[in-house]
Amino acid sequence: SQQGEEDPQALSIQEGENATMNCSYKTSINNLQWYRQNSGRGLVHLILIRSNEREKHSGRLRVTLDTSKKSSSLLITASRAADTASYFCATDGSNYQLIWGAGTKLIIKP
Amino acid sequence: SQTIHQWPATLVQPVGSPLSLECTVEGTSNPNLYWYRQAAGRGLQLLFYSVGIGQISSEVPQNLSASRPQDRQFILSSKKLLLSDSGFYLCAWNRVGTEAFFGQGTRLTVV
Repeated sequence: SQQGEEDPQALSIQEGENATMNCSYKTSINNLQWYRQNSGRGLVHLILIRSNEREKHSGRLRVTLDTSKKSSSLLITASRAADTASYFCATDGSNYQLIWGAGTKLIIKP
Repeated sequence: SQTIHQWPATLVQPVGSPLSLECTVEGTSNPNLYWYRQAAGRGLQLLFYSVGIGQISSEVPQNLSASRPQDRQFILSSKKLLLSDSGFYLCAWNRVGTEAFFGQGTRLTVV
């Protein structure tokens, strides 16, 4: 089942600008993860944030988590053409499954 | 280091033919294994997951089945393919509460 929802569905920005994507979910979680998928390829893990964390950084990525609002955001700073991809959030609930959102398609214009 | 192999990368099969997609994991033991299908421009639909040899859970009733004959081998099968089985199939593994690692995917076209 798809409980996570990303918005926007698509985002087009100029190279060098920051890109922000949001994810909302419905049930309580242990952690939330963000992944990137280049066209026609498998998904690549970007960052994992646990339910007791509020913010996490990895290079040009910043993830925030607000468990009271059941939402997370992924910020990519100083975007590059290579950041063009689809971005997915996934939540890890009480069972073995990862619950996936529908993704945000990010296009970085040169 | 752990790696995951999924093949073939692309497959064109006629309606009514059988299907077998294979996924193997190296460098870890007793992984959780997953088969997903992804429609064009959409998110991931979980088809099957397995927490151990011979243990398969199905998420959606469908024309497909899965098997785990060995700890690090996960197979997706169909006896008779339908046009609606076309899509991008992804195999993945993880441990509970940690990141998932994906294969490169199989683009299946049923004609």
